[in-house]
Parts: sequence; structure tokens; C-alpha cells
Amino acid sequence: DAGVIQSPRHEVTEMGQEVTLRCKPISGHDYLFWYRQTMMRGLELLIYFNNNVPIDDSGMPEDRFSAKMPNASFSTLKIQPSEPRDSAVYFCASSQIYGEQFFGPGTRLTVL
Amino acid sequence: GQQLNQSPQSMFIQEGEDVSMNCTSSSIFNTWLWYKQDPGEGPVLLIALYKAGELTSNGRLTAQFGITRKDSFLNISASIPSDVGIYFCAGQGDYKLSFGAGTTVTVRA
Repeated sequence: DAGVIQSPRHEVTEMGQEVTLRCKPISGHDYLFWYRQTMMRGLELLIYFNNNVPIDDSGMPEDRFSAKMPNASFSTLKIQPSEPRDSAVYFCASSQIYGEQFFGPGTRLTVL
Repeated sequence: GQQLNQSPQSMFIQEGEDVSMNCTSSSIFNTWLWYKQDPGEGPVLLIALYKAGELTSNGRLTAQFGITRKDSFLNISASIPSDVGIYFCAGQGDYKLSFGAGTTVTVRA
């Protein structure tokens, strides 16, 4: 079975540009999570969805960040406009049951 | 999220040695999870613990859910070179995970 799929794996953009990160969760998983990993702050939860509905977005740093899940097999995390401090690795994870979250390979974002 | 204290921050070990790391929290968790992350990859789930006092093994890995529900430890027995990586603990209350800062393991061959 395919795991969580994320694209792109690497993204380099210039400050002010819009960035869209994509995620395909594991089929049958009802929960989807977006995390950000930096050296300074470690792994932080940004937002999570249950059955395509956002449940908790308290970790979203500011209004420049938005996430959507139009269907059970696809989610996006958008940053508009991007800033250098947004540079990080962004992970998507999915879960079928309480506890076990399975992570994708991540998108390494660099904002110049 | 809640603050998890993971120790040690890093360790150098000899191949064949046993390794131990732990995580503590000021908050109670319903679930403890242990993940391993290799460079350029996402965290991979190693062990999930759901019950206070639970001791669970996965091959050479053994983890325990502390009886107070505020701590957990992970042991790796007879370490091998592929055990190199960063190990993270994670505590879960509702569906949100709070992560420790990680333990970086380097194995001397």
C-alpha cells in the first residue's frame, strides 16, 4: 500500500510568492494533519482535519497560511505571501484510528 | 502544544550496546508514541502505547508507558549501524500530538 504522498519534495521560491503544498493521505484514513519542522521549534502541528472538515487550526501561524481538504484523498497547504521565516520542512500525516499517525516524506520549503 | 522533555539530546553508542532514552511531561497523555526519523525523510512510527504501565516490544525496541501517564521510555537492544537517526517521543491527549525535541543516535562501528 502506498503511504502518505506529498508534493513537491522540494520547493524554492522568492519572498512574496504563493506556495502550495500538496498531500494525498493513506486511503481510508479519516484524519489528516499538517506539521512544520524547524531546528528552532521542532515538530509543530499546524492544523488537522477529520472527514475533510478542519477541526483545529490553532497552530496555523498567521493568516498567510491556509489549508483545505476538498475530498478524502487530497489536501493543500497554501502560504500567500511567503516569507523567509516560513522556510521549513512541512509534513502531512494521516490516521485511521486514535494514536497512530503516519507521516509523508515532507516538503522542504526554502523562501529566499 | 504541551512541552515534552526528551533526554538525552544526543548519544554516541558502540555497536552492540543497549540504548535508553526517555520523555517526561508536566501533562497527562492518553497515548505515547515513538518515532524514528532518518535524514530527508518523514518520521516513521516505531511503537504506540495506549495504556498506563503498558510495556510493548517491536523487535529490538521496547517502550513503556509510565504509570503516572506523564512519561515514557524507549530501549534499543544490541544496537546496529542502521539504528542511527533521530528518535522522537510524542504524547497525545486529543488527536493532537506534542513532540519531544528528539534524541540523536550515532553508532560507532
